[in-house]
Amino acid sequence: EVQLLESGGGLVQPGGSLRLSCATSGFTFRNYAMSWVRQAPGKGLKWVSAISDSGSSTYYADSVKGRFTISRDRSRNTLYLQMNSLRDDDTAMYFCAREVDEQWLVLSLGYWGQGTLVTVSS
Amino acid sequence: QTVVTQEPSLTVSPGGTVTLTCASSTGAVTSDYYANWFQQKPGQPPRALIYSTSNRHSWTPARFSGSLLGGKAALTLSGVQPEDEAGYYCLLYFGAGQLGVFGGGTKLTV
Repeated sequence: EVQLLESGGGLVQPGGSLRLSCATSGFTFRNYAMSWVRQAPGKGLKWVSAISDSGSSTYYADSVKGRFTISRDRSRNTLYLQMNSLRDDDTAMYFCAREVDEQWLVLSLGYWGQGTLVTVSS
Repeated sequence: QTVVTQEPSLTVSPGGTVTLTCASSTGAVTSDYYANWFQQKPGQPPRALIYSTSNRHSWTPARFSGSLLGGKAALTLSGVQPEDEAGYYCLLYFGAGQLGVFGGGTKLTV
């Protein structure tokens, strides 16, 4: 069974940093591209970032480019999102998600975690 | 900036049929956009329904179908059930730059 478990959220002041983790199990992590998606309270979904199966290619939404870094650790089967220079409008639930098919990165996000809440506030 | 547009809200009677659409500000949506559809209920993460325009996941009920309709991606629910009342989001893949953009979501009332 595919499982994705996010952690690392919490309360942080504007300008601060957080690192989110997404621990995975039930599939061969190294074979799948992964994404982060966020949802501000009461708002819609926003795609944030994606990383290829190999980790060699990364992609970001304009709103986080230069502030967030996506990465993956094959030995730990874990996806990360390093978030720096956090702003009030980064407040959201952050979900990690896995592609449906191996090796492809076309945002066919079939599997989702439960999310971790990030609150940016002074 | 690319905008993906969905109907804000729709209402359907139980047993009826309803079609939700997903349009791109860049022009007609084609299969190259690998349209996804997700269902989300309050307090829950999104649940994937459709990928690559028209493919159901193994858990997706047969009453949900995806297609391209008039230059848009479309999600049709046939024989709507009360439990289908939820928010529905589409996601389009743009391949470069802003890789993916979600629509604003449709609140479906049954």
